[in-house]
Amino acid sequence: EVQLVESGGGLVQPGGSLRLSCAASGFTFSTYWMHWVRQAPGKGLVWVSHINSDGSGATYADSVKGRFTISRDNAKNTLYLQMNSLRAEDTAVYYCARGGRERSLDIWGQGTMVTVSS
Amino acid sequence: DIQLTQSPSFLSASVGDRVTITCRASQGISSYLAWYQQKPGKAPKLLIYAASTLQSGVPSRFSGSGSGTEFTLTISSLQPEDFATYYCQQVNSYLWTFGQGTKVEIK
Repeated sequence: EVQLVESGGGLVQPGGSLRLSCAASGFTFSTYWMHWVRQAPGKGLVWVSHINSDGSGATYADSVKGRFTISRDNAKNTLYLQMNSLRAEDTAVYYCARGGRERSLDIWGQGTMVTVSS
Repeated sequence: DIQLTQSPSFLSASVGDRVTITCRASQGISSYLAWYQQKPGKAPKLLIYAASTLQSGVPSRFSGSGSGTEFTLTISSLQPEDFATYYCQQVNSYLWTFGQGTKVEIK
């Protein structure tokens, strides 16, 4: 079964750091682009970042550029999101997603909640 | 950056209705336009990619069309399991963007 499972969410103080992980299974992880997408409580989907299949290239939304870093370990079939200098407005469910055909996102994890609060 | 605007933001409809949701881009975009369905507390699900290609396993009552700056998602006969929020998504210069969402509720 094709599956993505996020972990690492939790409560963190403003200015703090957190690293999210996304474990992939059921497909050849190393051949797919991967993404992080977030959703604040009661709000819409917001794309955060993407990384290409070998990890050599990544892009970020302006709102997280310079604070968040996406990476991957293809040997461990795992995607990461290092989040630094966290702000209250980063509070959201964070989803990892697989890059599908024609730049769509075809497989999504169940999400992990990040709460930034003092 | 390219903005996507969905209309309507909220839609009330009955089972069996034909429903159309529009996604307008702030400038012309390629065919890299996708549609997703999200139910409360669940992850989004891909319905359509490349503006009009149905994702495997998605019922044929869903269809997509459009090009340039205007795209539509149509549900030909709304079913009880279709009540959800729908999002369009595009990509330009390796930056992905979602529309604000359209919530489809039961009339």
